[in-house]
Parts: sequence; C-alpha cells; structure tokens
Amino acid sequence: GENVEQHPSTLSVQEGDSAVIKCTYSDSASNYFPWYKQELGKRPQLIIDIRSNVGEKKDQRIAVTLNKTAKHFSLHITETQPEDSAVYFCAASNSGGGADGLTFGKGTHLIIQP
Amino acid sequence: SAVISQKPSRDICQRGTSLTIQCQVDSQVTMMFWYRQQPGQSLTLIATANQGSEATYESGFVIDKFPISRPNLTFSTLTVSNMSPEDSSIYLCSVAGSNYGYTFGSGTRLTVV
Repeated sequence: GENVEQHPSTLSVQEGDSAVIKCTYSDSASNYFPWYKQELGKRPQLIIDIRSNVGEKKDQRIAVTLNKTAKHFSLHITETQPEDSAVYFCAASNSGGGADGLTFGKGTHLIIQP
Repeated sequence: SAVISQKPSRDICQRGTSLTIQCQVDSQVTMMFWYRQQPGQSLTLIATANQGSEATYESGFVIDKFPISRPNLTFSTLTVSNMSPEDSSIYLCSVAGSNYGYTFGSGTRLTVV
C-alpha cells in the first residue's frame, strides 16, 4: 500500500518568514495530494490540494508543488502569521474523486515565533 | 463542500463495552471513510463504507472489532466493540467529492477506562 513520509516533524519560524514542509510518497498510482491544517482539538481542514496533472498550485500565501518523477510534494507558506501555528498533514490518494481514502503523513507541528 | 454531523462528540466508556458513532451528511455521497487519530498522532484509515455492500477494511482493522453500517447514501455508523484502553482515540468520518476534496466530521473523542 501507499506510504507517505513527512518532514520535518517540528518547524519553528519567525513571523513573516517562509515555511516549507516536504512529503514523499511510494505509490506511483497516487494522483491526488491534499494538505490539511489541524488546530488543537479541531478537525483537519483542507487548505490546498494538487492533482498529478499539475506541477504547482497557489492560493494567496500558500502554494503546493508536485514532482511526480521524484514522488515528492511540498507545502510552502509565505509571510507566516501567528494564526498559521498548527499541525499540518500531507496526504495521498490514488483516487481524487473519492473512491479511496487518504494515506497521511505523520504531521508537522509548525510554530510561528512572534 | 459537504457538511458532516458526527456524534457523539466525546464519550468515556468502560472497558469491554461498545460504542456506536454516527455520521450524517447533508448530501448523497458514494463513499464514506472512517479514520482513527490516536493521541498526538496522524490519521489512519480504518475502512471505506460503500452503500449497499460490506465495508472494506485496511490492514490491521477487522470487522469484528469495528463493524460499520451504511444503510443509505447520507448516513454511516462505526462501532468500536469490546473496548480496551488502547482504543482511546479520536474517530473521524470523512466524505469526498470530485470538486471539493475530502471533508471531515468534527470527530468523536473516545476515552476507555
């Protein structure tokens, strides 16, 4: 089955700086790669996703890049703010239309230092 | 995106008993998914529930321990059976749409004592 590795497990950055979280996946059939933000005691919230036919996607301060050949994808957050502090999870699925579930990475605890 | 109502939000249960968790979706969906999130950990897929057929379980999860019902396209239940303290986790249901990705319910925080 699919295996998703995520690094780093903890990331501390100064407010206003950029943060990058990286994930690799093992199953070349995977074609959908979402990123979730989970605040303490809350459900995971989808923040951005990318499909395998796209190399990069951006939404305001958040961007995701995908390298299918290397089987890795990354989350980039620019101009970080205190409210960006949370746990971020990457995930992969071989069915972006929802026929299969998600395999998650272990998560990155992002800490924004004021 | 779909709105999911999950209940109970939390429960404290005695070991050896069972708890049934319910998820109601505000629109019809083909697949519903059940995940477990152990304290401080990531999410692990337990099973996929398709209306009208038996649920498909991931490695390490069995039907006798986690029976699932899917009576229609908007509702599913997950039962955690014969509970032990190791079952203490957050259980989440999830649905997916072709246009909005995967959405999660608010979760059920289960403590087994």
